[in-house]
Amino acid sequence: EIVLTQSPATLSLSPGERATLSCRASQSVSSYLAWYQHKPGQAPRLLIYDASNRATGIPARFSGSGSGTDFTLTISSLEPEDFALYYCQQRSNWPLTFGQGTKVEIK
Amino acid sequence: EVQLLESGGGLVQPGGSLRLSCAASGFTFSNYGMTWVRQAPGKGLEWVSLIGATGGTQYADSVKGRFTISRDNSKNTVYLGMNSLRAEDTAVYYCAKTMTSLAYVDYWGQGTLVTVSS
Repeated sequence: EIVLTQSPATLSLSPGERATLSCRASQSVSSYLAWYQHKPGQAPRLLIYDASNRATGIPARFSGSGSGTDFTLTISSLEPEDFALYYCQQRSNWPLTFGQGTKVEIK
Repeated sequence: EVQLLESGGGLVQPGGSLRLSCAASGFTFSNYGMTWVRQAPGKGLEWVSLIGATGGTQYADSVKGRFTISRDNSKNTVYLGMNSLRAEDTAVYYCAKTMTSLAYVDYWGQGTLVTVSS
């Protein structure tokens, strides 16, 4: 099973700041990695798929990069609605796996 | 508009069984894989199972042999049969639609709570 390790666990930032979230895989997943946003009481939302492709309707301030074992989700300028939990997920190997999540909180 | 409506959650004793249903609408159901993802209280997301458009299935190791995913394309519904339930299966179970040919989720239901407790 591929283990995805996200860092940091919590990111404390102010609106307008840049957020950089990391996801590291225990073995190469090529570019087969997605990022999701999850707010309490809501369904998760797909942000990025295959490492760098924005999903439909996702604002341009969200971008993804990386390949192999190291991936980054960048939010260029945090909006109030961006404070949430973020998960990465790989589809390279079965079983599919998620990272443990990074919480982006208001500083 | 894609809609996924889960049902069937509830309280069940350890060792018991439950079947979750997910009624889908707003897309051509038979063309897409469907998946179940769960979130235990205070924990992160955990993938559970996936059924492809052609019926192939995959399971997480933690549920293999106990859970069965199935679909009825005539009813636009996906099911998750759960047997030999354990306390650690307690979670909100999300039904979700996968992207065409990609095992990513582009639409999620609101979730149904399964509580395994005596």
